[in-house]
Formats: sequence, C-alpha cells, structure tokens
Amino acid sequence: AQSVTQLGSHVSVSEGALVLLRCNYSSSVPPYLFWYVQYPNQGLQLLLKYTTGATLVKGINGFEAEFKKSETSFHLTKPSAHMSDAAEYFCAVRNTGGFKTIFGAGTRLFVKA
Amino acid sequence: NAGVTQTPKFRVLKTGQSMTLLCAQDMNHEYMYWYRQDPGMGLRLIHYSVGEGTTAKGEVPDGYNVSRLKKQNFLLGLESAAPSQTSVYFCASSSIENQPQHFGDGTRLSIL
Repeated sequence: AQSVTQLGSHVSVSEGALVLLRCNYSSSVPPYLFWYVQYPNQGLQLLLKYTTGATLVKGINGFEAEFKKSETSFHLTKPSAHMSDAAEYFCAVRNTGGFKTIFGAGTRLFVKA
Repeated sequence: NAGVTQTPKFRVLKTGQSMTLLCAQDMNHEYMYWYRQDPGMGLRLIHYSVGEGTTAKGEVPDGYNVSRLKKQNFLLGLESAAPSQTSVYFCASSSIENQPQHFGDGTRLSIL
C-alpha cells in the first residue's frame, strides 16, 4: 500500500534561510510525486510534480524537489525563504495506473523576519 | 477561468440534518474527488469518481453518499449529519493519472 510521511508537522526558518521540507513515500510501483501548497482559507495549489525523466524538478515560487528512488524521498527545497512562503505544504504520491492520490499529513512552514 | 467551484463555502448544521455539497469543474476532467481535511491528518479521501455515472469509496466513506450524474458535477451528501463530520471539505478534479489535481477553495462545515 502507498503511504507518505512528512517529517515535521511544523518547520520554522528565518527570512533568507534555506527551506527544507522532507517527504518519504512507499510505493510498490514507480510513483508520480507532487508537492502542493495551501494558504489560509484556500484550496491546495500545485507547486511541482515528478512523473518521469529528470529527477530534479523545478516548480513555482523558486521551489524545487529531487526524486531519489534509492531513498524513496522527494524533499522540497528553496534556497532563500520569503515571508510569503509561510503556508502549509503537502507531499502526495499517486501510482502509475492508479486513480487515487495519497497525501501526507502536511508541514506548516513559518518564516521569521 | 473558474476551475473547480464549491458551494456553499460555509454551513452550520444541527445533528441529524441533511445537506448536499456541490462541486463543479469546467476543465472537462474525468476524475473527481471529495476529501475532508482535519488538523494534523492531511487530506482523507471520502469518495471519488472516474467518470460520469461512476462512483467509488475512498478511505473514509461512512456517513457520506455521492453522485456524478453529469461529468462536470460531483455531489457529496450527508444524510444525517453528526458532530464528527465537522471538517473542511475539498473537491478536486484531474485528467489523466500523471496530472495533478485541481482543488476548490473548500466548504467549512460545522455540525452542532
């Protein structure tokens, strides 16, 4: 069965510091991987996705993530945090040939001035 | 450019009342989903549909029913609301399997 684990329900960084949000997954077949962001009182928006090809994927707002099959990880990074990055971030996995997407529990990012 | 639209945005119900949440998408997507979001639990799939006229149970289907009579609409019903169903409900849609889901802005439902 698929599962997604996001390490740390809350992460706090200073403005300008590196952002690292961790995601590990389990899947019996090659997965499709996604990161979504949720701002207060809004739905989820896609940040980036990995389907096939290059394992380092770039998304919106300066975020990127690297698919590491050997580590079953898909960590999200951004070199320099901005106040506007404060939000909740969800990692998600979907199997090839599957209809359902499994979401992690989410990581709330706080950015300090 | 509406995307996924959920109505209503807010609702307060009394225990035992019924209601229907409506989701409409204008992207001609085949797949549609209903999730509930509770603190610390991420999104949990209630029901989903892989095409007009089809529905299937997700992770937490008890107490909910759905219908997909038209491709663009996916309805979520609560026949007899319970306080445990207090949550934020999100609808989403997607095309083929390797494409992301598009989400509505949610319905905040409180059951007293």
